[in-house]
Amino acid sequence: TQLLEQSPQFLSIQEGENLTVYCNSSSVFSSLQWYRQEPGEGPVLLVTVVTGGEVKKLKRLTFQFGDARKDSSLHITAAQPGDTGLYLCAGAEDGNQFYFGTGTSLTVIP
Amino acid sequence: ETGVTQTPRHLVMGMTNKKSLKCEQHLGHNAMYWYKQSAKKPLELMFVYSLEERVENNSVPSRFSPECPNSSHLFLHLHTLQPEDSALYLCASSQDPAGGLYNEQFFGPGTRLTVL
Repeated sequence: TQLLEQSPQFLSIQEGENLTVYCNSSSVFSSLQWYRQEPGEGPVLLVTVVTGGEVKKLKRLTFQFGDARKDSSLHITAAQPGDTGLYLCAGAEDGNQFYFGTGTSLTVIP
Repeated sequence: ETGVTQTPRHLVMGMTNKKSLKCEQHLGHNAMYWYKQSAKKPLELMFVYSLEERVENNSVPSRFSPECPNSSHLFLHLHTLQPEDSALYLCASSQDPAGGLYNEQFFGPGTRLTVL
């Protein structure tokens, strides 16, 4: 079983602060996804990264895939209350295999 | 309807009841999944169907029975559940790239199940 560790597990910050969430594994993945999930809802796909070293930006969110395709980070600039949620990373192997991280619960305080 | 839909959104059932969860995807994908999400636990993969054939069953108790009649629909039949089965049940779909660049999953909103 592949294991993706996310850190921190919980994060509570003030509106306007910056933060970084990490997703680490000892396994190599063909692609990696980041999701945000709100209470009682399904995870919503934010981004997919596929190339080692790749950086993708989605407004105030910056995603990076590690050079060896084993780890990833999510950086949020000037966090807003609407960013509150559970952030999940998921590594994909060829075919239908997806492995989910342990999750980071983010709370942005107005 | 677009994306992945699930019904019902909420379900309360007794331990002797039989019920079914339904999932429908409108994305033209060829793989569908059932996940269980309990409080303070990572997502647990239950079943995977690819081209309507089950390809993975992660040691799920027989009181959970999946059915995939076609590539757009997935069911999870429930019977004689236990209170510890209470959780958010999520359906997802993906398109197996069959050697292509990458694949990604899209989730439905989930069914919140409470077993009394």
